[in-house]
Amino acid sequence: TQLLEQSPQFLSIQEGENLTVYCNSSSVFSSLQWYRQEPGEGPVLLVTVVTGGEVKKLKRLTFQFGDARKDSSLHITAAQPGDTGLYLCAGARRTGANNLFFGTGTRLTVIP
Amino acid sequence: NAGVTQTPKFQVLKTGQSMTLQCAQDMNHEYMSWYRQDPGMGLRLIHYSVGAGITDQGEVPNGYNVSRSTTEDFPLRLLSAAPSQTSVYFCASSVWGSLSGNTIYFGEGSWLTVV
Repeated sequence: TQLLEQSPQFLSIQEGENLTVYCNSSSVFSSLQWYRQEPGEGPVLLVTVVTGGEVKKLKRLTFQFGDARKDSSLHITAAQPGDTGLYLCAGARRTGANNLFFGTGTRLTVIP
Repeated sequence: NAGVTQTPKFQVLKTGQSMTLQCAQDMNHEYMSWYRQDPGMGLRLIHYSVGAGITDQGEVPNGYNVSRSTTEDFPLRLLSAAPSQTSVYFCASSVWGSLSGNTIYFGEGSWLTVV
């Protein structure tokens, strides 16, 4: 069983559209990270959220950590072809722990 | 900047063969780990280390061994390869401690096929 479930698994949208990716769990996490992975490469960290209810913005990307620290969302405004990639959420169960539990991933394609 | 370096990039093994995936980092990180990535399952932790001489098991350790004789290197050994070990393997490293303000760096991956 997967500790973190992401939805949708696949998403294909037109350039300029908005989208939201969800990361859900029944478990509490001390912190949660979002990664982006390109084909043939390793995941690259986008953001870390540690406080329930926390919202972080990275240009057109908005990340939110749920109040209960069990879920998170990634919202992209006005998607661009350069946003195409695999988005992964990953949570740490204990404070001070670096071991991550990864979500199942959302493969985003932005069509020009 | 080298970061986290994995070798080999691609490998085909026959069932029952053994091999070692190499991982080296040049950032003096205490924490190193190995993950495997399979379709539809995200990345799963195999083994990790918080310093030279210290290793521990992750979610899916069966069939794999690790050792940490230096801060820089963290090899992953497959003792008797099985088709179920066909996967993409990622090595990662970071400063040990809270993830807040901390970045985990991943290598580019090693594609392993067991036939």
